[in-house]
Amino acid sequence: RKEVEQDPGPFNVPEGATVAFNCTYSNSASQSFFWYRQDCRKEPKLLMSVYSSGNEDGRFTAQLNRASQYISLLIRDSKLSDSATYLCVVTKASGGSYIPTFGRGTSLIVHP
Amino acid sequence: NAGVTQTPKFRVLKTGQSMTLLCAQDMNHEYMYWYRQDPGMGLRLIHYSVGEGTTAKGEVPDGYNVSRLKKQNFLLGLESAAPSQTSVYFCASSYYPTNEQFFGPGTRLTVL
Repeated sequence: RKEVEQDPGPFNVPEGATVAFNCTYSNSASQSFFWYRQDCRKEPKLLMSVYSSGNEDGRFTAQLNRASQYISLLIRDSKLSDSATYLCVVTKASGGSYIPTFGRGTSLIVHP
Repeated sequence: NAGVTQTPKFRVLKTGQSMTLLCAQDMNHEYMYWYRQDPGMGLRLIHYSVGEGTTAKGEVPDGYNVSRLKKQNFLLGLESAAPSQTSVYFCASSYYPTNEQFFGPGTRLTVL
């Protein structure tokens, strides 16, 4: 099983739709969790950190389920500009360092 | 405040040639990382550093060397380039305890 797994999609949704992505991780000792957004041929940019209590930023909601070892990202009222690849990142402690592992990303296409 | 910068942005090498990619950050971050991104593979960690003078191997270190002589710089070297090293290379930096990573714009390397 891969350390961090995501459905590559693409998720093809109309403007205004609600869409959700999941990301599963295999290492129960993982400590930090993030969602990044990557536009075509650009660098990844932090979208949200994911906390145990869940967190919300405008139309975006992220949740963590440690028992089932997955994190989720919910996007409400999708905009054309939300079209991008969403990367799940899980960080674990290893020998005093914090090592991030990226999922392969989920592609979102929002159409008019 | 430039954040994370990478030089060069593009490079074409012939098999067997060597080159060094430079990453610089002005955020006083302790952690720095080098990733490669290939189609369908997501970001894979090559090497990372937890502080000046320290480096460690990531998931795909073979064929690469790194150095962190100054806190703000992290160099990635290819001693004898191979076509399999054709990729987009991203550098990132982060700080404890948030572990949020900030990425450079990437270097597109082609090895013929």
